[in-house]
Amino acid sequence: DTGVSQDPRHKITKRGQNVTFRCDPISEHNRLYWYRQTLGQGPEFLTYFQNEAQLEKSRLLSDRFSAERPKGSFSTLEIQRTEQGDSAMYLCASSPLREATGSSPLHFGNGTRLTVT
Amino acid sequence: QKEVEQNSGPLSVPEGAIASLNCTYSDRVSQSFFWYRQYSGKSPELIMSIYSNGDKEDGRFTAQLNKASQYVSLLIRDSQPSDSATYLCAVMVGYQKVTFGTGTKLQVIP
Repeated sequence: DTGVSQDPRHKITKRGQNVTFRCDPISEHNRLYWYRQTLGQGPEFLTYFQNEAQLEKSRLLSDRFSAERPKGSFSTLEIQRTEQGDSAMYLCASSPLREATGSSPLHFGNGTRLTVT
Repeated sequence: QKEVEQNSGPLSVPEGAIASLNCTYSDRVSQSFFWYRQYSGKSPELIMSIYSNGDKEDGRFTAQLNKASQYVSLLIRDSQPSDSATYLCAVMVGYQKVTFGTGTKLQVIP
């Protein structure tokens, strides 16, 4: 168990540029989540996958945000035409879904800190 | 009404005291409940999970769940300065997304 890995750790970009983040979940976990967190706030749900299927996307999320998990393993989150308001920590988490016990704790990566100038 | 509500604090307790952190949630069909600890600049780490009414103890931590009142709490006994962090309550409805509260900042005073 190597944990959830996110890349890059930090990203500085200029307004209007596109950025892409990568997340590698714990290998046996079939669920993968993306969250955004700003200072003083809890993680805000963006989207989640079960295997390669994207099951839900936040209604608050702009169309500039898109996520993929093409083979049910790693995932990418892309933000197009970045805005200063996109500056935040982007967190990825994975979980094993054990419906019999209801045990589905999320395991977080270290996050990608995005700064839009 | 927010899906998961927490008092943002800060909650200050003296070293060795019991810290009590509270959380309420809005969706009655919520099934899984989690407490995470987050140090400044770090990602959340799981402390406790609870799925049925009652208390669940793990070391100095006790999670309490009352589904009728839609209330979940976390008690930290013998609080230590290293417990100073933000504590996030998280709720899963069915087997869907996990929603987080804004977190309660805990300060343990030596």
